[in-house]
Amino acid sequence: AVQMTQSPSSLSASVGDRVTITCRASQGIRNELGWYQQKPGKAPKLLIYAASSLQSGVPSRFSGSGSGTDFTLTISSLQPDDFATYYCLQDYNYPRTFGQGTKVEIE
Amino acid sequence: EVQLVESGGGLVQPGGSLRLSCAASGFAFSRSWMTWVRQVPGKGLEWVANINQDGSKIHYVDSVNGRFTISRDNAKNSLYLQMNSLRAEDTALYYCARDDSPGEGGVWYDAFDIWGQGTMVTVSS
Repeated sequence: AVQMTQSPSSLSASVGDRVTITCRASQGIRNELGWYQQKPGKAPKLLIYAASSLQSGVPSRFSGSGSGTDFTLTISSLQPDDFATYYCLQDYNYPRTFGQGTKVEIE
Repeated sequence: EVQLVESGGGLVQPGGSLRLSCAASGFAFSRSWMTWVRQVPGKGLEWVANINQDGSKIHYVDSVNGRFTISRDNAKNSLYLQMNSLRAEDTALYYCARDDSPGEGGVWYDAFDIWGQGTMVTVSS
């Protein structure tokens, strides 16, 4: 199975900060990767698919990039609603695999 | 209203069985790939299984292959997960999700855009 490694596991940031989360695949996965946001007690929410395509309704401050093995989720200006845990998910092959998550906390 | 509602979770002894259901409404269920994802409380997400529109294509994570069976009834707009030979490590919150499957340049991507609220499965004696 493709292993997905996210970094950092957690980070502290302030409102207005630019935040970058990285996801690395154990093998090349082209651009077949998505990003999800999860808040405590809630189901995950799709942010990005195909590595860089913004899901409808998701604020433009979220962006994704990367191809092959290295991917990035960027929040250009962190907002209070963005404090959550973020997961990458590869859909290049089966079984699908998630990264271990990155918790974004208030500094 | 677009929604997915899971049910069927509960407490079961090791070796026992449960059948989870996921009722869909507000979207074209019969035209959608569907997925089960689970999460141990306080831990990360784990993809479990998926099924295509007519049930002819099914995939599982290795840890449940041979014990779990995903299925669907398009006439009832429902997705199922039959779980047999349950183990303590299957204890988790189980979510169903719709895969919108957007296609770009001949490639079809996963995009889990609709999620249920989850149903908790606890395997314990």
